[in-house]
Amino acid sequence: DQQVKQNSPSLSVQEGRISILNCDYTNSMFDYFLWYKKYPAEGPTFLISISSIKDKNEDGRFTVFLNKSAKHLSLHIVPSQPGDSAVYFCAASSQGAQKLVFGQGTRLTINP
Amino acid sequence: KAGVTQTPRYLIKTRGQQVTLSCSPISGHRSVSWYQQTPGQGLQFLFEYFSETQRNKGNFPGRFSGRQFSNSRSEMNVSTLELGDSALYLCASSAQGSLLSGELFFGEGSRLTVL
Repeated sequence: DQQVKQNSPSLSVQEGRISILNCDYTNSMFDYFLWYKKYPAEGPTFLISISSIKDKNEDGRFTVFLNKSAKHLSLHIVPSQPGDSAVYFCAASSQGAQKLVFGQGTRLTINP
Repeated sequence: KAGVTQTPRYLIKTRGQQVTLSCSPISGHRSVSWYQQTPGQGLQFLFEYFSETQRNKGNFPGRFSGRQFSNSRSEMNVSTLELGDSALYLCASSAQGSLLSGELFFGEGSRLTVL
């Protein structure tokens, strides 16, 4: 039972354009969402998060949007840079759960 | 400030053997979580420890176990290894033990290959 789904295994974007990574969830108890970035041979690193009381959170080139009615969140990267090439995982948690439920990941490739 | 340290980084075992992986969290962090990463499955939650107590456990068989010591270091053990246990095992620590107050900091992982 995949509660968090990233339906695009890979995404290719030209440098300077916008990258949009999508994530869907099924558990309505989730109230905290995060995005992690992972380079090969490294552990995931935290990128940005959003609480269910918000619908948008921005940090520099990264913006996360949350649509609770659709149970959908997205990560926008503008402008995309070659260093953004990595695997991106979305994750969700419910208060008190003390664990994250991750999606399968999306491999983002930024082409020069 | 040193990050999360996992040892060993790589190991090869055969079916039926057992393995112990170690994780040293960031200094001052009291919560340690373990995740299994396999291709196509993302990261699957194994268990989480806080102050030597297991607070949460994922849907893995009893062959997977863990513990946390008084210095917050943690170990996980997998007994009677199966081919499907081949994966990257990631340890993560957090300061407050509450995901709402901070994100998880991951180590580089221990890549286990079962032959």
